[in-house]
Amino acid sequence: NAGVTQTPKFRILKIGQSMTLQCAQDMNHNYMYWYRQDPGMGLKLIYYSVGAGITDKGEVPNGYNVSRSTTEDFPLRLELAAPSQTSVYFCASSTGTWGYPNEQYFGPGTRLTVT
Amino acid sequence: ELKVEQNPLFLSMQEGKNYTIYCNYSTTSDRLYWYRQDPGKSLESLFVLLSNGAVKQEGRLMASLDTKARLSTLHITAAVHDLSATYFCAVDRHNDMRFGAGTRLTVKP
Repeated sequence: NAGVTQTPKFRILKIGQSMTLQCAQDMNHNYMYWYRQDPGMGLKLIYYSVGAGITDKGEVPNGYNVSRSTTEDFPLRLELAAPSQTSVYFCASSTGTWGYPNEQYFGPGTRLTVT
Repeated sequence: ELKVEQNPLFLSMQEGKNYTIYCNYSTTSDRLYWYRQDPGKSLESLFVLLSNGAVKQEGRLMASLDTKARLSTLHITAAVHDLSATYFCAVDRHNDMRFGAGTRLTVKP
């Protein structure tokens, strides 16, 4: 199993550009998550999904969008990039019943710089 | 609003010593998690604590949960250099996952 994969590993965006961060998992996990981690800080939840076709906002959703058309894939879309979105983005997945997620498996991260 | 506080934020230990990291949270939660992150790397799951009084141990690490006090502890026994990392606790309430700021642990010879 590849586990959770993320592409790209690094990206530099200009202010106002848009991009999609890709995330895929091959463990048949129902839960998937997107987090951002600013330097020296903990993770903040952007969006999560409890299964294909179901997504919901986390703590910091503004400026981002997600979709989940398949169990495997959970892309994160950044529209009109701003310097405040400079961060490391982690995708994660887990098993669990609704409201009771199990341990999360994290991808390697995408380091995004907006200038 | 669910808030998660860890302390200390920085911890420098000598090898062979014991210490405890604390994780407080502000509202009732469904589950509590501990993760480890090495510098420049992703996060790795250590423990999931499901109920009041839960205790889990793996090697030199032991985690416990007191839901009445809204407190979890991560106890390190006889620290070794390989335990140097940042440790995060996270709390879930109805799928709202919140992480603490992390405890950066350095174990010195």
